[in-house]
Amino acid sequence: QSALTQPASVSGSPGQSITISCTGTSSDVGSYNLVSWYQQHPGKDPKLMIYEVIKRPSGVSNRFSGSKSGNTASLTISGLQAEDEADYYCCSYAGSSTLLFGGGTKLTVL
Amino acid sequence: EVQLVESGGGLVQPGGSLRLSCAASGFTFSSYEMNWVRQAPGKGLEWVSYISSSGRTISYADSVKGRFTISRDNAKNSLYLQMNSLRAEDTAVYYCARAPPYYWYFDLWGRGTLVTVSS
Repeated sequence: QSALTQPASVSGSPGQSITISCTGTSSDVGSYNLVSWYQQHPGKDPKLMIYEVIKRPSGVSNRFSGSKSGNTASLTISGLQAEDEADYYCCSYAGSSTLLFGGGTKLTVL
Repeated sequence: EVQLVESGGGLVQPGGSLRLSCAASGFTFSSYEMNWVRQAPGKGLEWVSYISSSGRTISYADSVKGRFTISRDNAKNSLYLQMNSLRAEDTAVYYCARAPPYYWYFDLWGRGTLVTVSS
């Protein structure tokens, strides 16, 4: 059960687009379309942003989108806004009713 | 209001035990799968344990297997985590998190309860 790999940090200017990658293995990300993404502001509980790779819960801005290729899932945020500055975590089903999180990515809006 | 409220955290010595509780309200608790997720100070999220809506299916992260026990009481709308043989590395905020039936994502989180393992 090794954590999924995410970049420690990414940054972008307001209005730009950024992409956060989440790399797993053929036993987790690569085997299931069950990747979710969470946004966490400092001192707050996490918020679901994307589930099942590409689906967006109601109330989440359409500036957030997800994708997957092979063992790597990605979260793209377009039209960056100051409020998007937060930590982002991916999570994947890993079989046998277990889940794995990524190490998290700190997004800085310049 | 739909919410999850954790309790039971605190300071415990290495090797000690603690029981966390999570009270659910505002939704049909017995229909949802439940999980515990933890976050060490300044660190990322770590999935800890899962229990199905009926309680028949249970799983654990390798890091806690054999030491932690998850359970639920659907009549009391409550989720529990019994933590034994605690180690310093178990120090974290523990969140309970809801997953919709047959889905593997968390759509509702509690505010968390802090567990500190230290002598």
